[in-house]
Amino acid sequence: QVQLEQSGAEVKKPGASVKVSCKASGYTFSGYYMHWVRQAPGQGPEWLGWVNPNNGGTYYAQKFQGRVTMTRDTSISTAYMELIRLISDDTAVYYCARGGVAGGRGDAFDIWGQGTMVSVSS
Amino acid sequence: DIQMTQSPSTLSASVGDRVTITCRASQSISSWLAWYQQKPGKAPNLLIYKASSLESGVPSRFSGSGSGTEFTLTISSLQPDDFATYYCQQYNAYWTFGQGTKVELK
Repeated sequence: QVQLEQSGAEVKKPGASVKVSCKASGYTFSGYYMHWVRQAPGQGPEWLGWVNPNNGGTYYAQKFQGRVTMTRDTSISTAYMELIRLISDDTAVYYCARGGVAGGRGDAFDIWGQGTMVSVSS
Repeated sequence: DIQMTQSPSTLSASVGDRVTITCRASQSISSWLAWYQQKPGKAPNLLIYKASSLESGVPSRFSGSGSGTEFTLTISSLQPDDFATYYCQQYNAYWTFGQGTKVELK
């Protein structure tokens, strides 16, 4: 079945970096945008950006430009999100989510990973 | 950025009730709106896309309506499995979520 499997929980110190992986299965990985969304405790989801697995193209929310990098490895159907210069406000569950057809119009997110808890604390 | 405002923040209801949640966009988003259900410790689950289209596998008691700046999610007869938090999301210009509506047992 179609699913996204994320890497495990991370604990980081302020100023460090974190890299979360998201392995896709059950569909053509290069055919759909992969988005990254985070959700701080008790808050609504917040969109970080997308990567186009077909060509590696990316777009980041303005808030995260300069701190986030999204990449992919098509040989293993895996997308990555790296966030640098972590602060305590980055503590959240980070999700990957499948978007619309690559190259097409933006769409809702129909498949989500299980989430990766990233905790930032000194 | 387009802001999404949901109301109410919390809704108390009983099994069998008809429930309506409202979502307003800060500017017109046409029909590019989705609704998600989220349960504690789980990822959001897509219910409705393009304002009124039911995602495959979602029970027909869920429905969505609206266009432009005002949208509603309706649960025609609340079931025990429906107690959860619901989020709207616009995807007309990038992607923005509402702050959520928690549906709790009265």
